[in-house]
Amino acid sequence: SAVISQKPSRDICQRGTSLTIQCQVDSQVTMMFWYRQQPGQSLTLIATANQGSEATYESGFVIDKFPISRPNLTFSTLTVSNMSPEDSSIYLCSVGVSSNFYEQYFGPGTRLTVT
Amino acid sequence: QKEVEQNSGPLSVPEGAIASLNCTYSDRGSQSFFWYRQYSGKSPELIMFIYSNGDKEDGRFTAQLNKASQYVSLLIRDSQPSDSATYLCAVNTGGGNKLTFGTGTQLKVEL
Repeated sequence: SAVISQKPSRDICQRGTSLTIQCQVDSQVTMMFWYRQQPGQSLTLIATANQGSEATYESGFVIDKFPISRPNLTFSTLTVSNMSPEDSSIYLCSVGVSSNFYEQYFGPGTRLTVT
Repeated sequence: QKEVEQNSGPLSVPEGAIASLNCTYSDRGSQSFFWYRQYSGKSPELIMFIYSNGDKEDGRFTAQLNKASQYVSLLIRDSQPSDSATYLCAVNTGGGNKLTFGTGTQLKVEL
């Protein structure tokens, strides 16, 4: 499996501001994903980060709120824009390393608190 | 109907017993099924995946898949207190590479 890092590991932000979360992988991967895990909840897919093209967003998530970049096969960013307390959550990136079985491996996560 | 359903628990088992975790899914086109373990405050860790009907064993863990019944389970033999965590079932859905997660089952292994 790949080694995945995320920055920052946690942050406390004021409402109305934006935070960019970075995800770095130690090897080239085809698929990268961004998830949100709200307190006590399971994981919800925000979007698939596509290298060299626009991200593919899931229902309920829009690019203006969660812009994503994927400049190469080892790096992606997720920005949480114009934050509100409802955005307080853990944000996780994951990578898919197999095209056959679709398994995904997760980064350590970014714990975001919006005040 | 939720796409992936799990009993939220908590499921309590004594140390040394077998823990049985269950998951049902709705998408008959799903091909791959995953079990993740998540300790409190940590990110999910992939512990098993299965794609063929039947059993797959890895150490103390056995994943079981029954596509006809749309059912996947995880058995943990000789449960240890260190197995206490939330176990997330995930299924690839929509015929592609996306995973849909269940809400997770909290397992508590008691001394």
